Amino acid sequence: NAGVTQTPKFRILKIGQSMTLQCAQDMNHNYMYWYRQDPGMGLKLIYYSVGAGITDKGEVPNGYNVSRSTTEDFPLRLELAAPSQTSVYFCASEAGPNQPQHFGDGTRLSIL
Amino acid sequence: AQTVTQSQPEMSVQEAETVTLSCTYDTSESDYYLFWYKQPPSRQMILVIRQEAYKQQNATENRFSVNFQKAAKSFSLKISDSQLGDAAMYFCAYMSGGSNYKLTFGKGTLLTVNP
Repeated sequence: NAGVTQTPKFRILKIGQSMTLQCAQDMNHNYMYWYRQDPGMGLKLIYYSVGAGITDKGEVPNGYNVSRSTTEDFPLRLELAAPSQTSVYFCASEAGPNQPQHFGDGTRLSIL
Repeated sequence: AQTVTQSQPEMSVQEAETVTLSCTYDTSESDYYLFWYKQPPSRQMILVIRQEAYKQQNATENRFSVNFQKAAKSFSLKISDSQLGDAAMYFCAYMSGGSNYKLTFGKGTLLTVNP
């Protein structure tokens, strides 16, 4: 019963470095999402995907890129890390339109 | 754009008592879904309850129930017989019906349960 798995759980980056946050789900869900959660705030949508090969921007996409080559995986890439990207990142998947989203445990990312 | 407002940054309740968390939302749509998610200190996001806007009956899930007032655009969560494990941040969320898949979250309410 893995559900949605995010790696790593914690990471510290220097300004200007790049990295990829991994997200995998084993529920055969077509819909997947990336959110960021800043202190004292709710989650904000970065990117989402409705199936392999299809991605679209959410509310706060600047500074991020995604790809969806398989149904299972939905990695999020930061190309030039900036302090404003310090946040907790959540990946989620969903079985179909308007169904509850299942969340991973989050990745805490600090950029110094 | 839809907005979700949780007007109570923090709430507290005595163990075994009942507490109600408030949520209001702004939308011009008629087809939508509302959710309450719980985020304990472990940081995991856990679905508590889901309400379809087209249903007049309030959703219930064991000790959790909602008071959905569509005309007032209000969606409050009632937790009965509060337990220590209910202590968490609670987020209200809105999702448009149809092909808009995005969840819009409120800022959350931190619930403390006192023994």
